[in-house]
Amino acid sequence: QQQVKQSPQSLIVQKGGISIINCAYENTAFDYFPWYQQFPGKGPALLIAIRPDVSEKKEGRFTISFNKSAKQFSLHIMDSQPGDSATYFCAATSQGGSEKLVFGKGTKLTVNP
Amino acid sequence: GAGVSQSPRYKVAKRGQDVALRCDPISGHVSLFWYQQALGQGPEFLTYFQNEAQLDKSGLPSDRFFAERPEGSVSTLKIQRTQQEDSAVYLCASSRPSRGLDEKLFFGSGTQLSVL
Repeated sequence: QQQVKQSPQSLIVQKGGISIINCAYENTAFDYFPWYQQFPGKGPALLIAIRPDVSEKKEGRFTISFNKSAKQFSLHIMDSQPGDSATYFCAATSQGGSEKLVFGKGTKLTVNP
Repeated sequence: GAGVSQSPRYKVAKRGQDVALRCDPISGHVSLFWYQQALGQGPEFLTYFQNEAQLDKSGLPSDRFFAERPEGSVSTLKIQRTQQEDSAVYLCASSRPSRGLDEKLFFGSGTQLSVL
């Protein structure tokens, strides 16, 4: 059972464009939703995270939009740059539990110059 | 150290061989996690330690997988009688004691295990 579904699997965007990655979850006990960025040969690195008590969080060019009723959240990358080319993972956890993260399958983003 | 350190970086094992993967977490980090990442997939939880206590091992795929953290710092993931389906990148991650909104889970670069 896949608890966090992520789409699209791959995404190609032109430099300066907006990249949008979507995730949906099933477990209503999830209360912390981070996004991770992973470059080849490296471990995932935390990009931005949100709790369900807010509908949006912005950090620089990165924004998370959260829809609690639909159990969906998305990552928007504004003014996408070639250096943003990486694989992005959404994740979810219930911090009242064992704190383990459940990851989506990832989106490979390519930003063309 | 500056980050989570994992060794070896690459490991090639013959099917049936035992392997041991090491993780050095960030100094002072109480929580330690092991994840398995298959090619083209997201990381999947294996096990979780708080200090030396293994609080959750629900993700270990079989009794061939064993993890320990005897002194609450360095951790070792051991896989006995390796099988081809064990081929993956094994990621270790650590975090500080208290979890808050801005709490970060720091990942190492992983050990890429190839079972022939």
